[in-house]
Amino acid sequence: GQNIDQPTEMTATEGAIVQINCTYQTSGFNGLFWYQQHAGEAPTFLSYNVLDGLEEKGRFSSFLSRSKGYSYLLLKELQMKDSASYLCAVSLNTGGFKTIFGAGTRLFVKA
Amino acid sequence: EADIYQTPRYLVIGTGKKITLECSQTMGHDKMYWYQQDPGMELHLIHYSYGVNSTEKGDLSSESTVSRIRTEHFPLTLESARPSHTSQYLCASSDWGQEGGYTFGSGTRLTVV
Repeated sequence: GQNIDQPTEMTATEGAIVQINCTYQTSGFNGLFWYQQHAGEAPTFLSYNVLDGLEEKGRFSSFLSRSKGYSYLLLKELQMKDSASYLCAVSLNTGGFKTIFGAGTRLFVKA
Repeated sequence: EADIYQTPRYLVIGTGKKITLECSQTMGHDKMYWYQQDPGMELHLIHYSYGVNSTEKGDLSSESTVSRIRTEHFPLTLESARPSHTSQYLCASSDWGQEGGYTFGSGTRLTVV
């Protein structure tokens, strides 16, 4: 079967760095995405990893290890507006490029 | 401005009614998707399409149907709404390469009473 695991909740302090981990067990891996979703809103795309290594985009970085089925999202210089759910998603190339989503990690940023 | 639009934003409807949730995108994307999401839960794929006249069922069993007669339009129809259909429905689109991820609409929050 297909499975994506991420912590349910995390709390961090404004200005700090936080790492959100994601492990996956899927067949036909085609790439891994991270999305941000504020309460009551639609997810917005943050990053995409298809090869092993680190992808950096401003305050956000995402890492992938395909052999370990592992990814993390790193958020630096946390701001209050970063309080949201962060969804790890895997694109499969079996049955045609479907994407499955984890349940998300709710991040609370405190002052 | 290229975007993806869903209507209605909120809908309260009685059991047994037929409803259609609208989704349109102006980005020229070939791939379109419908996901269902309950509060605090993961997104579940219910239908997807790779282009005009292409539709497939997703992983979540659903009494809904979709059509893709035009590239930009991907409506979702519930023939007979039930309280178990109460949820948020998210439409999304992507290009073939997917490097840019999915672009999601604002969603339709459906309540069946």
